[in-house]
Amino acid sequence: EVQLVESGGGLVQPGGSLRLSCVASGFTFSSYSMNWVRQAPGKGLEWLSYISSSSRTINQADSVKGRFTISRDNAKNTLYLQMNSLRDDDTALYYCARDVYGGYGNDHWGQGILVSVSS
Amino acid sequence: QSALTQPASMSGSPGQTVTISCTGTSSDVGAYNYVSWYQQHPGNAPKLVIYEVTNRPSGISDRFSGSKSGNTASLTISGLQAEDEADYYCSSYTTTSTRVFGGGTKLTVV
Repeated sequence: EVQLVESGGGLVQPGGSLRLSCVASGFTFSSYSMNWVRQAPGKGLEWLSYISSSSRTINQADSVKGRFTISRDNAKNTLYLQMNSLRDDDTALYYCARDVYGGYGNDHWGQGILVSVSS
Repeated sequence: QSALTQPASMSGSPGQTVTISCTGTSSDVGAYNYVSWYQQHPGNAPKLVIYEVTNRPSGISDRFSGSKSGNTASLTISGLQAEDEADYYCSSYTTTSTRVFGGGTKLTVV
């Protein structure tokens, strides 16, 4: 069974940093590209970042470029999101999501991890 | 990158067919056959129901179908059931190698 489990969220002050992790199991992690997507309370989905299976290709939304960094460790089956210079409007539920193999679409999602930015 | 445009809400009766639209531009929806659709029930993570415009993942009912014409993609749900009541989001790959979601459509089964 495919499982994606996020961790590392919590309450942080504006300007602070957090690193989210997403541990994958039930599939060959190193063969799949991955994404981070967030959802602010009561709002819609916002795509944040993509990383290819080998980490060769990384793409990011303009809203987080220069502040957030996606990475992965295929030996540890883990996806990361380093978040710096956090702002109030970064408060959201953060999901990691796997891409369809060789295609476009997120076929498996984690349960989400809450990040709250507040003083 | 602006969000794709979806109707904020729609409704239908059990057994009816509903079609949710997703309008973008020639830089996203119109550029590639890389449109996907997600169903999200309250308190749950999104679930993929259509990928690459028309493809259904394993386990998704054939009551769900997708299509695209120009810069507008559509999700059609036939034989509407109470369990279909949820939020639906479209997403597209873009010409700048990013991805963009629609604002979401709240579907009510009345």
